[in-house]
Amino acid sequence: EVQLVESGGGLVQPGGSLRLSCTASGFSFSSYWMSWVRQAPGKGLEWVANIKQDGSVKWYMDSVKGRFTISRDNAKNSLYLQMNSLRAEDTAVYYCARVSIYGDYSFDYWGQGTLVTVSS
Amino acid sequence: SYELTQPPSVSASPGQTASIACSGDELGGKFASWYQQKPGQSPVLVIYQDHKRPSGIPERFSGSNSGNTATLTIGGTQAMDEADYYCQAWDSNTVIFGGGTKLTVL
Repeated sequence: EVQLVESGGGLVQPGGSLRLSCTASGFSFSSYWMSWVRQAPGKGLEWVANIKQDGSVKWYMDSVKGRFTISRDNAKNSLYLQMNSLRAEDTAVYYCARVSIYGDYSFDYWGQGTLVTVSS
Repeated sequence: SYELTQPPSVSASPGQTASIACSGDELGGKFASWYQQKPGQSPVLVIYQDHKRPSGIPERFSGSNSGNTATLTIGGTQAMDEADYYCQAWDSNTVIFGGGTKLTVL
């Protein structure tokens, strides 16, 4: 059974940093692109970043470029999101998602999400 | 930047057909995917590559994509289908989601 479990969320002050983790199981983690998607309270889904199987290619949404870094450790079946210079508008539930093999960059499995709150 | 537009809400009676549109410039030339999200739950992929259903998704869910509009159709809508639905596409190394549509089953 495919499982994605996020951790690391919490309350952080504006300008602060936080590192999210996602532990994967039930599939060959190193064979898949992975992604972070977020959802602000009461709002829609918003893609944050993607990373290729070997970590050599990374894409980011414009508003997090230079502040967030996606990475992975295939030996530990883990995905990470380092978030720096956090802003109030980064407040959201952050989901770890597996990019499907269908070739359309759809997401076929999602974690339960971890809440990040940026507030003083 | 590329944008996808969805109606905020759609309603349908039980047993009727519900259709949710997603519009974007030349969207028919890209692949569209659709997700269902119920309150307090993570999204679930219901349609990929415009019209294909992942394993476990009921046959009443179908999709199409042509011109500037992708459409998710739910035939024989059930109370359990009440949820938010999001379309998604990929363009220039960016993943885009539509704003979401709340389906109410009256």
